Amino acid sequence: DVKVTQSSRYLVKRTGEKVFLECVQDMDHENMFWYRQDPGLGLRLIYFSYDVKMKEKGDIPEGYSVSREKKERFSLILESASTNQTSMYLCASSPRGAGNQPQHFGDGTRLSIL
Amino acid sequence: RKEVEQDPGPFNVPEGATVAFNCTYSNSASQSFFWYRQDCRKEPKLLMSVYSSGNEDGRFTAQLNRASQYISLLIRDSKLSDSATYLCVMRGSTLGRLYFGRGTQLTVWP
Repeated sequence: DVKVTQSSRYLVKRTGEKVFLECVQDMDHENMFWYRQDPGLGLRLIYFSYDVKMKEKGDIPEGYSVSREKKERFSLILESASTNQTSMYLCASSPRGAGNQPQHFGDGTRLSIL
Repeated sequence: RKEVEQDPGPFNVPEGATVAFNCTYSNSASQSFFWYRQDCRKEPKLLMSVYSSGNEDGRFTAQLNRASQYISLLIRDSKLSDSATYLCVMRGSTLGRLYFGRGTQLTVWP
């Protein structure tokens, strides 16, 4: 079974802090994704990466950055946390290539910015 | 316009009922389609892929209509454990990116 592990289930930080969310997958997947999920808005893609050191902006990259130094690890960084970044953050991975390749999700991190 | 649109519901049905969800997509070049299930405060999990000819997995049937650009999910003989949010998902042509609908909430009552 694919295992996607996010470093924290719950996290509380203060406005202005730099926040790191870590995600590790154990299936040698090339693609990794960061989403946030808010009530009524569904899943929104923040950033994704299709290879080590490669990154692409999703639909809502403002206020975030990412790092992919190793294939199995994809980090999401909130440069200066703000209260409107309080949300559920979900990491996902998938193998490269076309075809019916779904994404596998981690358990999610509930982040609260005070 | 969102890439994937689905009725948010909620759908409230009794045990044993048949319920159907529909979802429309805007990109005719879309390659792959899925239904995910998400329980309250949990991560989305793949329920089933959707194949061009339609496919069935037990009580669940998925259909794809490329001409009209919609997919559907039919749940027969609903169980209490089917209560969840069902996400319609489309794979675009870019680097494995998926586009998610906002989800349809289903509650099955005894």
